[in-house]
Amino acid sequence: DIQMTQSPPSLSASVGDRVTITCRASQSISTYLNWYQLKPGKAPKLLIYSASTLQSGVPSRFSGSGSGTDFTLTISSLQPEDYATYSCQHSYSAPITFGQGTRLEIK
Amino acid sequence: VQLVESGGGLVKPGGSLRLSCSASGFSFSDSFMGWIRQAPGKGLEWVAYISSGKSYTNYADSVKGRFTISRDNAQNSMYLQMNSLRAEDTAVYYCARDAFGVVIMNHYFDHWGQGTLVTVSS
Repeated sequence: DIQMTQSPPSLSASVGDRVTITCRASQSISTYLNWYQLKPGKAPKLLIYSASTLQSGVPSRFSGSGSGTDFTLTISSLQPEDYATYSCQHSYSAPITFGQGTRLEIK
Repeated sequence: VQLVESGGGLVKPGGSLRLSCSASGFSFSDSFMGWIRQAPGKGLEWVAYISSGKSYTNYADSVKGRFTISRDNAQNSMYLQMNSLRAEDTAVYYCARDAFGVVIMNHYFDHWGQGTLVTVSS
């Protein structure tokens, strides 16, 4: 199975900050990498698919990059509604696996 | 788009439960669908997906042989039959549309329900 490792596990940032979250795959997955935002009690939300394609309706301050084994999710200017947990997911081969999540907290 | 899960609850180890997912707002019969779960304090875990025509299913090793995913396109519904439940199956179970083939051949989940809690405990 392909393991997905996110870093950092948690981070604190202020409104307006630029934030970068990293996801590393245990083997090359091309660009079969997707990012989600999770908030307690709410349905998870797709942000980015295929490493860098912004899902319709997602603010442009979110961006994704990378290929192979190393990927990043960047929030260019953190907004209050962005405090959440972010999770990456690969779909290169079965089984699909998710990263353990990065919790973004208010500084 | 709306996805609504139901059927969660408290069940004893070794017991069974059937989850349902009711879909609306998109072409259900043309869509792959999937189940993803999140155990308390843990990350997301993919459970299973099913193709639009029901001909293809795939399962995580942790549930293979115990869980069965199915769908009724006439009812716009998907199901997860869970047998031989274990304590480690305790989680919130999410129904999601798998966008495989919508834009590209990539399994990503573009619409999710709010989830239903399954608790396995004696």
